[in-house]
Amino acid sequence: DAGVTQSPTHLIKTRGQQVTLRCSPKSGHDTVSWYQQALGQGPQFIFQYYEEEERQRGNFPDRFSGHQFPNYSSELNVNALLLGDSALYLCASGPPSGKPIETQYFGPGTRLLVL
Amino acid sequence: DAKTTQPNSMESNEEEPVHLPCNHSTISGTDYIHWYRQLPSQGPEYVIHGLTSNVNNRMASLAIAEDRKSSTLILHRATLRDAAVYYCILRDWNFGNEKLTFGTGTRLTIIP
Repeated sequence: DAGVTQSPTHLIKTRGQQVTLRCSPKSGHDTVSWYQQALGQGPQFIFQYYEEEERQRGNFPDRFSGHQFPNYSSELNVNALLLGDSALYLCASGPPSGKPIETQYFGPGTRLLVL
Repeated sequence: DAKTTQPNSMESNEEEPVHLPCNHSTISGTDYIHWYRQLPSQGPEYVIHGLTSNVNNRMASLAIAEDRKSSTLILHRATLRDAAVYYCILRDWNFGNEKLTFGTGTRLTIIP
């Protein structure tokens, strides 16, 4: 079992550009969540996808958008990048919905640097 | 989301037990107490969770106060590989895959 995988591992962009990050969930999982982790802070929830739709959203602007594919993999898109978007972006997957208190499994993250 | 309070940092000697405290005075009756940890350059990983009774697994033990307003994560014999940031998180049992709300956690340093 490969666990949660993310690509790329590192990325450097300039202000105003757009970026796409990718995530493949753990085998058997159908729910994907994205988190942003600034240096020295805990991860902050961006949004969650289930059945190819955004199910929950945190306090992030519309510049942050996502997509989930039929194979449950997911993309996070960030438009009009700001310096403050520099962070570690984490993907987490969870097992099929309906089961209470399931463990979330995290990927290693994508480190984004905006110059 | 109910709030948790943890010390910013702790130190422990290698091969000694470590007790990581967490206060959650506003916990509701349906909140589970979860612990995750984040090793350097990795994503968070699940450690343990419990509701009312103390819990043990291969990684750690969780001791929950009788009034559930506090809990303690116990690493029985710390190794250098346990150096990480430990997060205490409350999760409502009604919601299986809902978001995790992280605080700043406790940075655990293990002294060789």
